[in-house]
Amino acid sequence: GNSVTQMEGPVTLSEEAFLTINCTYTATGYPSLFWYVQYPGEGLQLLLKATKADDKGSNKGFEATYRKETTSFHLEKGSVQVSDSAVYFCALRDQGAQKLVFGQGTRLTINP
Amino acid sequence: DAGITQSPRHKVTETGTPVTLRCHQTENHRYMYWYRQDPGHGLRLIHYSYGVKDTDKGEVSDGYSVSRSKTEDFLLTLESATSSQTSVYFCAISDTSGSHEQYFGPGTRLTVT
Repeated sequence: GNSVTQMEGPVTLSEEAFLTINCTYTATGYPSLFWYVQYPGEGLQLLLKATKADDKGSNKGFEATYRKETTSFHLEKGSVQVSDSAVYFCALRDQGAQKLVFGQGTRLTINP
Repeated sequence: DAGITQSPRHKVTETGTPVTLRCHQTENHRYMYWYRQDPGHGLRLIHYSYGVKDTDKGEVSDGYSVSRSKTEDFLLTLESATSSQTSVYFCAISDTSGSHEQYFGPGTRLTVT
């Protein structure tokens, strides 16, 4: 079945550090891939998405590239801020399906 | 922000009592979902709906039922709450256009004592 695996957290970085959160997936077809962010006490918000191989999603300085050859969708940001502290979820939606499959989430804390 | 509200936002109940959580949307989206969020498990799908009166089970549906009598409302019922159902519950919606991304409500924190 379909699955998403994220790097285990928590991840703690200093402000202005480079961020990578790894995400790999298993899917039977050609899925769409998503990163969601959850700030404390809130619901999930869509951060970025990619719908086909080699697409790059980007938003708020975050980027992720859909790599079919490595079945990966790693999240990166060049210079993190304290306000980026949140839980980040990688997810996939298989082709033709309406349900999302989520990774377990990665808690990110940025120290000033 | 997508127009999704959940009620109540917080609830404490006793084991064995029935509980109903409500999700309301103003976006006229076809699909609605109920998830639970627990530490170490991410989000797990409980039930979802693909239209009025059309629902299906997710991966953790035991102990839960749902109903959707109107496009805008999706109810989640715990017939007899158990302590293992203590969790944060999220509703989400999506439509059939574009990449079908889901938009989430603010969540309901349920504690079963």
